Amino acid sequence: QVQLQEAGPGLVKSSETLSLTCTVSGGSISNHYWSWIRQPAGKGLEWIGRVHSNGLTNYNPSLRTRVAMSIDTSKNEISLSLHSVTAADIAVYFCARATIGASVYFDPWGQGTLVTVSS
Amino acid sequence: DIQMTQSPASLSASVGDRVTITCRASQNIRKYLNWYQQRPGEAPHVLISAVSTLETGVPSRFSGSGSGTEFTLTINSLQPEDFATYYCQQSFSTVPYTFGQGTKLEIK
Repeated sequence: QVQLQEAGPGLVKSSETLSLTCTVSGGSISNHYWSWIRQPAGKGLEWIGRVHSNGLTNYNPSLRTRVAMSIDTSKNEISLSLHSVTAADIAVYFCARATIGASVYFDPWGQGTLVTVSS
Repeated sequence: DIQMTQSPASLSASVGDRVTITCRASQNIRKYLNWYQQRPGEAPHVLISAVSTLETGVPSRFSGSGSGTEFTLTINSLQPEDFATYYCQQSFSTVPYTFGQGTKLEIK
């Protein structure tokens, strides 16, 4: 079955750029939307944005000025960049596939990767 | 943004109990409502999509109902593995998708 694995530095300096990748295995990256979702410790889930296999992106308005996503179908890889990070960006970052049925839901998810911001 | 509000924020129950979690949307989202379970240290996984469709492998003790702005997740005959945090998520508005703040189900 499809599996997702996030990777990237666990520590980013304040004001710098957080960069993560998500590698998809066991299935095709094509013809799907792929989302990034984050979760601060002990808190709820925040949708960051999505990228389609054709490169189309949509971002959460709350993060739009700082976020960029891209996709490399040759590597089965999705990327997230979040610029000018602060302590408010400390969270576990998940990638997930948007499954389109009668509703759009996220399945499967990666295991998540913790990103900490240092001052 | 569509705001999703879950109640209660936390809930204590015993094995064998029946529990209900409510999710309210700030506007009509028709049937574009999903439920997830998240155990500590794990990613969320989907239980129910489109209000009431049980995903593959999800036990039949889970059920969902509602439409418009009010939705419920019911778990009959709680099992030890059900003690987790539950989130609702709307997909009526795609930008952004939004989640409820979560309901933590704890063992009494």
